[in-house]
Amino acid sequence: AQTVTQSQPEMSVQEAETVTLSCTYDTSESDYYLFWYKQPPSRQMILVIRQEAYKQQNATENRFSVNFQKAAKSFSLKISDSQLGDAAMYFCAYRVIIQGAQKLVFGQGTRLTINP
Amino acid sequence: DTGVSQDPRHKITKRGQNVTFRCDPISEHNRLYWYRQTLGQGPEFLTYFQNEAQLEKSRLLSDRFSAERPKGSFSTLEIQRTEQGDSAMYLCASSLRDRARFGPGTRLTVL
Repeated sequence: AQTVTQSQPEMSVQEAETVTLSCTYDTSESDYYLFWYKQPPSRQMILVIRQEAYKQQNATENRFSVNFQKAAKSFSLKISDSQLGDAAMYFCAYRVIIQGAQKLVFGQGTRLTINP
Repeated sequence: DTGVSQDPRHKITKRGQNVTFRCDPISEHNRLYWYRQTLGQGPEFLTYFQNEAQLEKSRLLSDRFSAERPKGSFSTLEIQRTEQGDSAMYLCASSLRDRARFGPGTRLTVL
């Protein structure tokens, strides 16, 4: 069964500094997608970044980048130059395809606090 | 696009009542998903539609839960004979391929 584990329930960082959120997953598939979603307090889930497993190059979206280690099944998110608006729950997710049906399997989330 | 919309945003009901939630996906998205999220947890998959066909249902979706997507457009999720354990945020998402976009959710409170 596919599982996603986020071992850091909470993280905090000083504004303008860099923080890395960890994620590991378990799968027997060779081709898959991984995602990081952000959920601000009382607001909806927003896609932050996406990684295709067959691509060796790590995905980057402005201040957000990932460190994708396929052999280790690790997919960490790095946030550079942290801003107050980055404060949120961050969820790592893995896309499963079963008999043509898609679903996302989410980790438990990491609550990120930005200290001014 | 106007994003994924969900209605209502909040629902308070008494145990044993039936409730129905609606999700309007992004218009060109053929894939629609329902998830349930309890406080402090990640979303859990409930069901998946491709166009009007329901292709996958989680075992979390007991006989009291039913979802439809007539004509492959909006979707409804109905919970019959609600229980206190059904209290959660119900999230809808839609996608064209792999980038799922989420709606704001419907928060259900069962008293």
